[in-house]
Amino acid sequence: DSGVTQTPKHLITATGQRVTLRCSPRSGDLSVYWYQQSLDQGLQFLIQYYNGEERAKGNILERFSAQQFPDLHSELNLSSLELGDSALYFCASSVRQGAGDTQYFGPGTRLTVL
Amino acid sequence: GNSVTQMEGPVTLSEEAFLTINCTYTATGYPSLFWYVQYPGEGLQLLLKATKADDKGSNKGFEATYRKETTSFHLEKGSVQVSDSAVYFCALSDRAGGTSYGKLTFGQGTILTVHP
Repeated sequence: DSGVTQTPKHLITATGQRVTLRCSPRSGDLSVYWYQQSLDQGLQFLIQYYNGEERAKGNILERFSAQQFPDLHSELNLSSLELGDSALYFCASSVRQGAGDTQYFGPGTRLTVL
Repeated sequence: GNSVTQMEGPVTLSEEAFLTINCTYTATGYPSLFWYVQYPGEGLQLLLKATKADDKGSNKGFEATYRKETTSFHLEKGSVQVSDSAVYFCALSDRAGGTSYGKLTFGQGTILTVHP
């Protein structure tokens, strides 16, 4: 158990809908990262927050957004869903945001868009 | 930009065989290098890491050495077990221009299956 929790574990929805994925980092970790894992794209970095502020963006679509709240949990919002958004979404946390800092991954949310 | 290339998989071995999974990288700055492992139905777990050239990371019998001259971080284990069957990801986190935000760039993953 990494100490990072993600809810829900599975999510099935229809095209055009909007969903919210939730992540609670390990106690004491200030940095939260979101990654998408799909068969065709592999594991890709989406976005990072540090202590409530957005710090880095990767290959995140404009239909997707995220935020980190004062209690440090984070939410990833996916809207106008398309079939191609079906993937595993992982959240990871680390104490700081340095290149050498270990990131601890949650179990992921499997999103299926029908 | 940054990139990580892993050897083509899947890899199938018999128990107690020697394992090597090749990983090479391209980075603009001074990366830290990681190996993560993903067991079926689970998230990623850090296996080992190295933060500077010539460092050796090791854990659970696995080892990898950060080779700056060959831009490589190959994973090795002397004697694999059935329980090592999983997907292995090589990754880097770069620091460039004094900025380091820790985001990971992953290789495509290598599926390892170990038979008794």
